[in-house]
Amino acid sequence: DVKVTQSSRYLVKRTGEKVFLECVQDMDHENMFWYRQDPGLGLRLIYFSYDVKMKEKGDIPEGYSVSREKKERFSLILESASTNQTSMYLCASSWTGRAGGYTFGSGTRLTVV
Amino acid sequence: AQSVTQLDSQVPVFEEAPVELRCNYSSSVSVYLFWYVQYPNQGLQLLLKYLSGSTLVESINGFEAEFNKSQTSFHLRKPSVHISDTAEYFCAVTPRGAGGTSYGKLTFGQGTILTVHP
Repeated sequence: DVKVTQSSRYLVKRTGEKVFLECVQDMDHENMFWYRQDPGLGLRLIYFSYDVKMKEKGDIPEGYSVSREKKERFSLILESASTNQTSMYLCASSWTGRAGGYTFGSGTRLTVV
Repeated sequence: AQSVTQLDSQVPVFEEAPVELRCNYSSSVSVYLFWYVQYPNQGLQLLLKYLSGSTLVESINGFEAEFNKSQTSFHLRKPSVHISDTAEYFCAVTPRGAGGTSYGKLTFGQGTILTVHP
């Protein structure tokens, strides 16, 4: 089975801190995605990557950046965390050219105080 | 661009009752359709998908969904629910790519929380 692993289940950070959320997948997927999940708003795409060093903005990229230096790893960076970035963050991956949908990680619940 | 609307934010039902979770989508191109389930404190898991062929698709745990192109809907149903079906359910779409394959990003609905009471 494909595994998508997010490094932390729960994080508490202070306003203004730089925050790194890490995601690793073990099935050689080309595509990786970062979503945030908020009650009543569903999942909103922050950034995605379709290859190493390639990235594209999603629907809500403001306040975030990403890094994909290796195929298996996709990092989400909050340059200066703010309280409105308190949320559940979900990483997912998928193959190019196959209509199988995503495989998701378990999520990181980030609280910014 | 695509959009997905899940018509009910919360659906409470009693155990062994039937349930329908409604999903409508909007898209200028043909799409693939998915239902995902999220159990408490977990990530999302694929429940079922429609890619082509029969418009009625089934999951291994008794859910089914029917693609209705004219009504742009993909409603999820189960004839008899269990306590263990309590979860949040997400409908999602992605545009069909060239050659009938898809690699694009998924657009999700807002989610429907299904609560099954004893």
